[in-house]
Amino acid sequence: QVQLVQSGAEVKKPGASVKVSCKVSGYTLTELSMHWVRQAPGKGLEWMGGFDPEDGETIYAQKFQGRVTMTEDTSTDTAYMELSSLRSEDTAVYYCATEGVAGGFDYWGQGTLVTVSS
Amino acid sequence: EIVLTQSPGTLSLSPGERATLSCRASQSVSSSYLAWYQQKPGQAPRLLIYGASSRATGIPDRFSGSGSGTDFTLTISRLEPEDFAVYYCQQYGSSRGGTFGQGTKVEIK
Repeated sequence: QVQLVQSGAEVKKPGASVKVSCKVSGYTLTELSMHWVRQAPGKGLEWMGGFDPEDGETIYAQKFQGRVTMTEDTSTDTAYMELSSLRSEDTAVYYCATEGVAGGFDYWGQGTLVTVSS
Repeated sequence: EIVLTQSPGTLSLSPGERATLSCRASQSVSSSYLAWYQQKPGQAPRLLIYGASSRATGIPDRFSGSGSGTDFTLTISRLEPEDFAVYYCQQYGSSRGGTFGQGTKVEIK
């Protein structure tokens, strides 16, 4: 059973960066394909990017390219998502989620609220 | 980029009724890469269906998925009180990324 525990809520000013962590237990990070999804208040789900096991690389949604970086520390089984040049529209709950071998995102973190406000 | 359009936006039904949710893709999606999720307020999404028609672990059999190409459907055969929530479709897999539809809210009539 995979468990994903994310870091706590953040408040950032416009123009700053935020780095959200996602600690994996039950499996090692190398066994998983990790993705990041966000949800603005009252809005739908938005895929930001994730690991592509076929290419062995992380792919990003076009909307976030150049502004998002997803990394992994396999020594601590922790995944990270860093978003830069924050603006008010980036206020959202950010989720990490794993892509199952059979398909779909089967395990989710509890979410991290990032608030961007001056 | 594949765009997923869900309809209707809101579905008002009573417990015990059948719910039929639609997800249409802007271009053909492999059935192997279409998923459905349920989300309740304040909670993370829960995977219901993957591969267009396979139920995820622990999902009751009143939930079923079907479709191919550009048209996919999630059916809830008899709504239970706990089924009132927002439902999202998603196409995923490799370089396809993980685009979501905008969601359908199933509310109590």
